[in-house]
Amino acid sequence: SQTIHQWPATLVQPVGSPLSLECTVEGTSNPNLYWYRQAAGRGLQLLFYSVGIGQISSEVPQNLSASRPQDRQFILSSKKLLLSDSGFYLCARGGGGKETQYFGPGTRLLVL
Amino acid sequence: GQSLEQPSEVTAVEGAIVQINCTYQTSGFYGLSWYQQHDGGAPTFLSYNALDGLEETGRFSSFLSRSDSYGYLLLQELQMKDSASYFCAVGYDYKLSFGAGTTVTVRA
Repeated sequence: SQTIHQWPATLVQPVGSPLSLECTVEGTSNPNLYWYRQAAGRGLQLLFYSVGIGQISSEVPQNLSASRPQDRQFILSSKKLLLSDSGFYLCARGGGGKETQYFGPGTRLLVL
Repeated sequence: GQSLEQPSEVTAVEGAIVQINCTYQTSGFYGLSWYQQHDGGAPTFLSYNALDGLEETGRFSSFLSRSDSYGYLLLQELQMKDSASYFCAVGYDYKLSFGAGTTVTVRA
């Protein structure tokens, strides 16, 4: 089976601190991987996507960066968190076609 | 760019039928997908339409009209567990652009 792991599940960080969220995928090779952010009660905003190791595309200018050091590992980072970085961060993998994506359990980030 | 419109809220009673409409404007289009998200959880894939017509999956059906840039998700025989947010999404260039979501509340 194909599984997406994200950790931590919940994170509270002070403004100005660094961030590293990790996503790992099991059961598939060379997946397309995605990072989304969801504000409370809102839709999903695509932040980054990757079609392979070392290949990162950014969708919106922001305080965050992403890396893909291994085929099944996708990392979201920040050097200095802002209050506006709070939200629900979701990692997803492509479903093999253009039409489907499967999401990990997400990380809730609160920046204080 | 991509733009999707869907109603923000729908309330219905158990056993009823709910239709969630989605209109879109997009520069590229591979298909229309629907996702369900329960409060506090991650979105899960429900259905996908690449061609015009109706796709049925159990109590849920999804419809697409490419000429009208319009689709809908039909929830039949509503159950309390169907209370959730539902998102339409258009696929383009191996990415998805999501609508803001429709919160469906099912009452006893």
